[in-house]
Amino acid sequence: DADVTQTPRNRITKTGKRIMLECSQTKGHDRMYWYRQDPGLGLRLIYYSFDVKDINKGEISDGYSVSRQAQAKFSLSLESAIPNQTALYFCATSDPHSVNEQFFGPGTRLTVL
Amino acid sequence: RKEVEQDPGPFNVPEGATVAFNCTYSNSASQSFFWYRQDCRKEPKLLMSVYSSGNEDGRFTAQLNRASQYISLLIRDSKLSDSATYLCLTSGGSYIPTFGRGTSLIVHP
Repeated sequence: DADVTQTPRNRITKTGKRIMLECSQTKGHDRMYWYRQDPGLGLRLIYYSFDVKDINKGEISDGYSVSRQAQAKFSLSLESAIPNQTALYFCATSDPHSVNEQFFGPGTRLTVL
Repeated sequence: RKEVEQDPGPFNVPEGATVAFNCTYSNSASQSFFWYRQDCRKEPKLLMSVYSSGNEDGRFTAQLNRASQYISLLIRDSKLSDSATYLCLTSGGSYIPTFGRGTSLIVHP
């Protein structure tokens, strides 16, 4: 079984709709992250959480919100989706006690029409 | 200027060639360094960590140059299966991760 899972894997939605992307992990890591990836722009950090009570904005947080429901769960919401949020979204975890390597989920491909 | 910079390539090399990529970083407080490999539309996967003294894993060698603030990845005897995008990752003193935009490698027969 995968250590970091993301649902849904693919989603097509319309402009203005609210959408939630979910991430779960069984690695027992405190730190979780949400990234988006666009062609030519690499991975950009949206939000990160170092523990359940800690939420921080990343490089591109506008238009997004997150919720850390438990150590194992970190969800990303688009309150009112717009077409330029069409991208590949990755969740990741890391263990600060182990050189802080990032472990990624399989990604969610989101298309906003 | 982006904190972590990579030449996007593509680097187009024949099988068996040796190829090297660099990744420069601007945050002198960066403490952890990694190379990741990403295949098209897949998640990035750790290729290797980069240690201060340099490290090798089979055909792959990673180096860190703190004075000039860059890391490098050397691939010897390139295989067709090495074709991918290679991302560098640094984490600074606050452990906020920063990725480069990636370098595309195409190995052809």
